Amino acid sequence: DSGVTQTPKHLITATGQRVTLRCSPRSGDLSVYWYQQSLDQGLQFLIQYYNGEERAKGNILERFSAQQFPDLHSELNLSSLELGDSALYFCASSFYGQGSVYGYTFGSGTRLTVV
Amino acid sequence: TQLLEQSPQFLSIQEGENLTVYCNSSSVFSSLQWYRQEPGEGPVLLVTVVTGGEVKKLKRLTFQFGDARKDSSLHITAAQPGDTGLYLCAGVEAAGNKLTFGGGTRVLVKP
Repeated sequence: DSGVTQTPKHLITATGQRVTLRCSPRSGDLSVYWYQQSLDQGLQFLIQYYNGEERAKGNILERFSAQQFPDLHSELNLSSLELGDSALYFCASSFYGQGSVYGYTFGSGTRLTVV
Repeated sequence: TQLLEQSPQFLSIQEGENLTVYCNSSSVFSSLQWYRQEPGEGPVLLVTVVTGGEVKKLKRLTFQFGDARKDSSLHITAAQPGDTGLYLCAGVEAAGNKLTFGGGTRVLVKP
């Protein structure tokens, strides 16, 4: 158990629908990072939150949005889903050493299948 | 955008052989990390290298960070079937602390 919890583990939904993925970072970690992993694109950074505020944005589509709540859990909302959105979605929290980010702890991911 | 290129993309070897995976970029990273990912699971951190020229060893795995902090390599000695997995390198950008991942190297060690 990495300490980063993601739910649900699997999600199957139809095109055009909207889903919400949930992530709870390790206890005490303020940062949450969301990544998308598809077969042909590897791990792509979507968005980062730190203590409730958006800190960095990657290649996140306008149909996707995220937020981090006061209890530090985060949700990634995906709307108007397309077949190409089928992928593994990971969240991670970071830990520090030697004055900078030393590593990420990843959750076990949510596998989204859009049919 | 800082890009990390990994090579090879796929490696199939027999148990007991050695292998090396490379991670290259035209950009400088403040640190570089290596992860291993099993099917259906999230990546797990193996090592972080910070200083140019740094070499770290983790049992049969040796990690090296290039002098200019633009490239890294992972060497596995006497590979075992348990080493099978997807190996990912990732560079830390100074601003925002986000990781940029390479495309990964899929390693298969046959018994």
